[in-house]
Amino acid sequence: QVQLVESGGGVVQPGRSLRLSCAASGFSFRTHGMHWVRQAPGKGLEWVAVVSDDGRTTYYADSVKGRFTISRDNSKNTLYLQMNSLRAEDTAVYYCTREGVSSKWCFDYWGQGTLVTVSS
Amino acid sequence: EIVLTQSPATLSLSPGERATLSCRASQSVSTYLAWYQQKPGQAPRLLIYDALNRATGIPARFSGSGSGTDFTLTISGLEPEDFVVYYCQHRGDWPPGATFGQGTRLEIK
Repeated sequence: QVQLVESGGGVVQPGRSLRLSCAASGFSFRTHGMHWVRQAPGKGLEWVAVVSDDGRTTYYADSVKGRFTISRDNSKNTLYLQMNSLRAEDTAVYYCTREGVSSKWCFDYWGQGTLVTVSS
Repeated sequence: EIVLTQSPATLSLSPGERATLSCRASQSVSTYLAWYQQKPGQAPRLLIYDALNRATGIPARFSGSGSGTDFTLTISGLEPEDFVVYYCQHRGDWPPGATFGQGTRLEIK
């Protein structure tokens, strides 16, 4: 069965860095675009970043552009999010999610999320 | 940038009733519109994709309709577990990112 398992979250001081990972299994990872979506405590969903199936194309939300880097290692079936210059407003649960099989315009599987808390 | 506006923010109904949730796009998104359900402490779950197609394993009481700028998620015969939060989402060719509505909370009356 399809599984996405995030890791790497935790408490970090403002201005510091953190790298999230998402281990994928149960499907052909290299054939799906992958995304990060986050949710601040008590708030709605915010799309963060996308990487194409081959890793060559990336795109970011304005709120993280220049600070976050999305990447993937198809040989390890793993998605990454390098987060630099973290701010308090980056505090959120971060989900990795894949583009759907029936439609690439939606997200058909999600990880359980990993909590990032930016605080001094 | 496309903005999705969901209404109402909160909907109060009783089990067994029909819920109608709205999502309006700031410009046409054709049928590239999905709906998700999110229960407390859980990741979102895909309900509807391409405006009207139920995702795998989703009960028939969930249905989607609409195209262009106006979309509806209908839940017929509300079950107790349906009283949670629902989001609409759009993604297109370019930019390749996604946009979510702000959510509708369905609460028990």
